[in-house]
Amino acid sequence: SSELTQDPAVSVALGQTVRITCQGDSLRSYYASWYQQKPGQAPVLVIYGKNNRPSGIPDRFSGSSSGNTASLTITGAQAEDEADYYCNSRDSSGNHGVFGGGTKLTVL
Amino acid sequence: QVQLQESGPGLVKPSQTLSLTCTVSGGSISSGGYYWSWIRQHPGKGLEWIGYIYYSGSTYYNPSLKSRVTISVDTSKNQFSLKLSSVTAADTAVYYCARVWFGELLSPWFDPWGQGTLVTVSS
Repeated sequence: SSELTQDPAVSVALGQTVRITCQGDSLRSYYASWYQQKPGQAPVLVIYGKNNRPSGIPDRFSGSSSGNTASLTITGAQAEDEADYYCNSRDSSGNHGVFGGGTKLTVL
Repeated sequence: QVQLQESGPGLVKPSQTLSLTCTVSGGSISSGGYYWSWIRQHPGKGLEWIGYIYYSGSTYYNPSLKSRVTISVDTSKNQFSLKLSSVTAADTAVYYCARVWFGELLSPWFDPWGQGTLVTVSS
């Protein structure tokens, strides 16, 4: 079992806002990073640190954190945002990495 | 910019050792400031962190795989490698390599990733 918990599936209407969450005790001490993965492709970093976007990631993607929960928000979801999203951080020991189980985002 | 490419056999027999190499181009693996990591993804499943290595050789492994995993680095070839021993069908997965940054609060992020390579364990 993963130390980071994500909802398996979330849906959003085109153009609306969606929040994908990641819960875990280690998130009280560390930030999560977020990855988008489309079928047959390698994951792509979309958010890291407090709320940082790599070059080329649209500004509709944002991150936040509160307590033991990290969130990835997509404001104005587009059809091309339909993908699996994974969070990552350190585990509760701080010595190892861990991924959440992933959230499948459907854009309706 | 930095690019990573995995290479190695696509088919490994049960009980044997899986060996993969990640070649780093566009930057030096020994420039410091980053770790290098292996991650895998079982078919249709989520991502699983395998381990990190620093260019100096310091390693951190997933506790669930630690007894079978070795990650090493060859700075002269700008490569790092994964060995996973005593494989079974449960080790069939796409294996990715990635560069790891540690930033605010020493929190990690992985960027970039290699394209991934499918390794099937079967006789």
